[in-house]
Amino acid sequence: DAGVTQSPTHLIKTRGQQVTLRCSPKSGHDTVSWYQQALGQGPQFIFQYYEEEERQRGNFPDRFSGHQFPNYSSELNVNALLLGDSALYLCASSSGTGRPGNTIYFGEGSWLTVV
Amino acid sequence: GDSVTQMEGPVTLSEEAFLTINCTYTATGYPSLFWYVQYPGEGLQLLLKATKADDKGSNKGFEATYRKETTSFHLEKGSVQVSDSAVYFCALSTSNDYKLSFGAGTTVTVRA
Repeated sequence: DAGVTQSPTHLIKTRGQQVTLRCSPKSGHDTVSWYQQALGQGPQFIFQYYEEEERQRGNFPDRFSGHQFPNYSSELNVNALLLGDSALYLCASSSGTGRPGNTIYFGEGSWLTVV
Repeated sequence: GDSVTQMEGPVTLSEEAFLTINCTYTATGYPSLFWYVQYPGEGLQLLLKATKADDKGSNKGFEATYRKETTSFHLEKGSVQVSDSAVYFCALSTSNDYKLSFGAGTTVTVRA
């Protein structure tokens, strides 16, 4: 049983460019959350998708957007990249209500470097 | 808002030493509390959790007790191994929220 899979694992982008990161949730999970983890920091919640809708959003600008597909996979898009967007982007999946009282599974993340 | 404060690292220990990582929280609602671990080159894994006051979470020799009176959830292990070297994150979520709020993480290195 595959866990949460993310792609790409590493990428380098230039300031001002756009990036798309992808996530496939664990089998049987229908809820996907995205987190940003800057170097030496804890993960920060970006947003959560459930039933193809953004259910909750953290304190991130509109440059960060997402999408969930009917098969529950998800994309995170970041426009007009800034140097400060360099981070590990984590996808997390869960089932049902999506409340973290339920067990959440994290992917290994996508390392984004903006130069 | 919700926040988690955990002991700053890095922490370096010898094998079989006792490990404690302090974690305190502030929350607007009644939180569930978690410890996550991130081994080198791997994603975050749930280590243990507690969902109500006085609950004790435990896994792989690690324990943490939900203390509402001191708003704390300290992680302990009686005898660490080299394989416990990792970054440990304390986190919370409240019943009216879908997100996890994480602390900054504590890097633990265990030397043989």
